[in-house]
Amino acid sequence: DQQVKQNSPSLSVQEGRISILNCDYTNSMFDYFLWYKKYPAEGPTFLISISSIKDKNEDGRFTVFLNKSAKHLSLHIVPSQPGDSAVYFCAARYNAGNMLTFGGGTRLMVKP
Amino acid sequence: NAGVTQTPKFQVLKTGQSMTLQCAQDMNHEYMSWYRQDPGMGLRLIHYSVGAGITDQGEVPNGYNVSRSTTEDFPLRLLSAAPSQTSVYFCASSPPSRDLSMNEQFFGPGTRLTVL
Repeated sequence: DQQVKQNSPSLSVQEGRISILNCDYTNSMFDYFLWYKKYPAEGPTFLISISSIKDKNEDGRFTVFLNKSAKHLSLHIVPSQPGDSAVYFCAARYNAGNMLTFGGGTRLMVKP
Repeated sequence: NAGVTQTPKFQVLKTGQSMTLQCAQDMNHEYMSWYRQDPGMGLRLIHYSVGAGITDQGEVPNGYNVSRSTTEDFPLRLLSAAPSQTSVYFCASSPPSRDLSMNEQFFGPGTRLTVL
């Protein structure tokens, strides 16, 4: 039973528009959430994170929103660029440890 | 810094064969881990280590062994390969996390393994 779920396997967006990637989790003991980006034939790279004591974190074009009551987080990319086309993984940390639980990933395609 | 390196990049095994996937990092990170990536399943933790001499099981440890004799190296051994172990394997490392912060994990480029 997956504790972190990304229900949209793929998303297609026009260049310049907003991309919104969603992630749901079930375990209330998750205390930190991260987004990783992965290009083909490469390892995932860290993108942005948020602590469970915050509801928003922003870094340039990337913003992560956390809704603890709904156990939901989202990644907003504004404006989207063709170079953002990749697979995005949501991950959650359990109770201040080192272990991460990953979602299944969402493939984002940004069309020029 | 080379970061996290993995060898080989590709490997084909026959059922029942054994092999070791190599992982090394030059960032003096205490924490290292192995994940496998399967379509629609994301990355699942196989084994991890919080320091030299210490290893523990993750979510999907069956069929794999690890050891951590040095800070730099964290090899993953497949004892008797099975077709279900066909996957892409990623090694990752990070400094230890603290309660109110999370150090990002740095991933290697992956090893694509096919078991026939």
